[in-house]
Amino acid sequence: DVKVTQSSRYLVKRTGEKVFLECVQDMDHENMFWYRQDPGLGLRLIYFSYDVKMKEKGDIPEGYSVSREKKERFSLILESASTNQTSMYLCASTTQAGRGFGYTFGSGTRLTVV
Amino acid sequence: AQKITQTQPGMFVQEKEAVTLDCTYDTSDPSYGLFWYKQPSSGEMIFLIYQGSYDQQNATEGRYSLNFQKARKSANLVISASQLGDSAMYFCAMIYMNTGFQKLVFGTGTRLLVSP
Repeated sequence: DVKVTQSSRYLVKRTGEKVFLECVQDMDHENMFWYRQDPGLGLRLIYFSYDVKMKEKGDIPEGYSVSREKKERFSLILESASTNQTSMYLCASTTQAGRGFGYTFGSGTRLTVV
Repeated sequence: AQKITQTQPGMFVQEKEAVTLDCTYDTSDPSYGLFWYKQPSSGEMIFLIYQGSYDQQNATEGRYSLNFQKARKSANLVISASQLGDSAMYFCAMIYMNTGFQKLVFGTGTRLLVSP
């Protein structure tokens, strides 16, 4: 079964820490995405990548960066975690030609910054 | 700008009844796709149903159907014969092209609770 795997289900970090959220897909998908999910706000796109070493800002990139050194892995980096980054983070991937039904999501990482 | 609106934060339905979850969208692009995803408490997003902007017929997938009214820019999800396992968050989403890249934008979601 095809999968998007997020390395941590729950994470607690301190304010100011550098935080890495990892996402790995085994479908050879070109496109990968990081979303943030908050109650009442739905899912908002942080960053996406359409190829190795390529990245594009989404709608809310401030305070985040990303890294894609290998096709299967897309990392979200919080350079200096803040309490307002406490949220659920979802990773997704799709092919270049994929449409919505081609998006495969991970199970999410619930990050708490204290 | 593309936008998805879900006005129902929560919905309640009894088991075996049908329920409609509302979704309206805003776009000036003629080509787009509309989706519904289910998110159970476990967190993963599960694709339910897709409707293309040029599709003539409403999409159906088992107990799920999408009531697509293009002129009204609405794409409501109808779940027939609700089951307890349908209790979850439901998100409407739209895919569109922006600056050469495909993007998926989501609504704020509706929490559905199915009671026995």
